[in-house]
Amino acid sequence: EAGVAQSPRYKIIEKRQSVAFWCNPISGHATLYWYQQILGQGPKLLIQFQNNGVVDDSQLPKDRFSAERLKGVDSTLKIQPAKLEDSAVYLCASSLERRTVSNSPLHFGNGTRLTVT
Amino acid sequence: AQKVTQAQTEISVVEKEDVTLDCVYETRDTTYYLFWYKQPPSGELVFLIRRNSFDEQNEISGRYSWNFQKSTSSFNFTITASQVVDSAVYFCALSGLRAGTASKLTFGTGTRLQVTL
Repeated sequence: EAGVAQSPRYKIIEKRQSVAFWCNPISGHATLYWYQQILGQGPKLLIQFQNNGVVDDSQLPKDRFSAERLKGVDSTLKIQPAKLEDSAVYLCASSLERRTVSNSPLHFGNGTRLTVT
Repeated sequence: AQKVTQAQTEISVVEKEDVTLDCVYETRDTTYYLFWYKQPPSGELVFLIRRNSFDEQNEISGRYSWNFQKSTSSFNFTITASQVVDSAVYFCALSGLRAGTASKLTFGTGTRLQVTL
């Protein structure tokens, strides 16, 4: 079974520039998550999709971050404009269902490491 | 609010030593789930175990074992006869079951384990 695919692996941009990350979840996984992992910290949930609908985006900085999951499969996360504090690893995860996390463990991708200079 | 504390920032052991990673959690939920994830240098978060709050039985899987003690709100992870391949950052995580918490994994800050020859 192919895992969660993310690209690019690394990205370096200057502050105020825009950047986009892409995620392809495991085939058949209805739920997709974007997490932000700042160096030295645990991952923090940014947004959760169930198919192509947003379930939870309460921790997404909506003034600069946006995400979409067209057709309920692939997803993109965009930052516009980027700030220095956005430097982090952005992890995508997918799972079979939403009702309880434990019924379907999250499978994570390798992440995109973003450096904002 | 949910909180996960991993007080050990970094642990270094020599191969074949046993090592225990500590995890203490806080939650107002009466039912919840606990997890351990491994993050090797490649960056991917690898699911290791999930445990629900109803089940306080210890679990063993090969060289891995987990000690869940509800009375002390701890969910410690022991690696027996550690190997170099165990070197990684290990995260403890918590999720609830109530609406608004089931979909969110709250992670600790992680413990970096370094196993040397």
